[in-house]
Amino acid sequence: AQSVTQLGSHVSVSEGALVLLRCNYSSSVPPYLFWYVQYPNQGLQLLLKYTSAATLVKGINGFEAEFKKSETSFHLTKPSAHMSDAAEYFCAVTSVGNQFYFGTGTSLTVIP
Amino acid sequence: DSGVTQTPKHLITATGQRVTLRCSPRSGDLSVYWYQQSLDQGLQFLIQYYNGEERAKGNILERFSAQQFPDLHSELNLSSLELGDSALYFCASSVASDRLYEQYFGPGTRLTVT
Repeated sequence: AQSVTQLGSHVSVSEGALVLLRCNYSSSVPPYLFWYVQYPNQGLQLLLKYTSAATLVKGINGFEAEFKKSETSFHLTKPSAHMSDAAEYFCAVTSVGNQFYFGTGTSLTVIP
Repeated sequence: DSGVTQTPKHLITATGQRVTLRCSPRSGDLSVYWYQQSLDQGLQFLIQYYNGEERAKGNILERFSAQQFPDLHSELNLSSLELGDSALYFCASSVASDRLYEQYFGPGTRLTVT
């Protein structure tokens, strides 16, 4: 079975500070992992994905994530937060059939 | 813009009623997925179609059904609606059903059941 756990439903950072959003996964098959962002009243937009190639994955808007098999983690980071990063972030893992299993989401607030 | 379109954007209806949500996938995508996003359940996979055939089922209620038509658009039918069915319903599409292929999400349909 596949699942993800996002630690921290709300994260606040100051503008310019490091962003760290945590995701741990459980998968019965080698996982494909994704981070999506959702802005208010909008759909989900793919930030980045891990599909068993390089363990450090770079995405859009300066985000990156590192796949750590030993820790079953796929944390999302950004060195310097911008006000425009305020949104809901979802980690997801896919099964063999490509159905997404989403975490409960982390709401990121950026403090000016 | 992901290229996936969903109609309507908003839907308000009463308990006991039936509604149909429509999704048009990106050009060339054969696989369509439906998801429900609610405050208490989060984002949940409902059902997947590939080239007109049901491929996988998730947490979809028996009151809900879906289909994918020959032109590849899909419809999600929700019947005997309850207050708890109020949610955002997303459609996503991908080229194929294998997980190698990225899913693109539509803007969603917000359903309010009163």
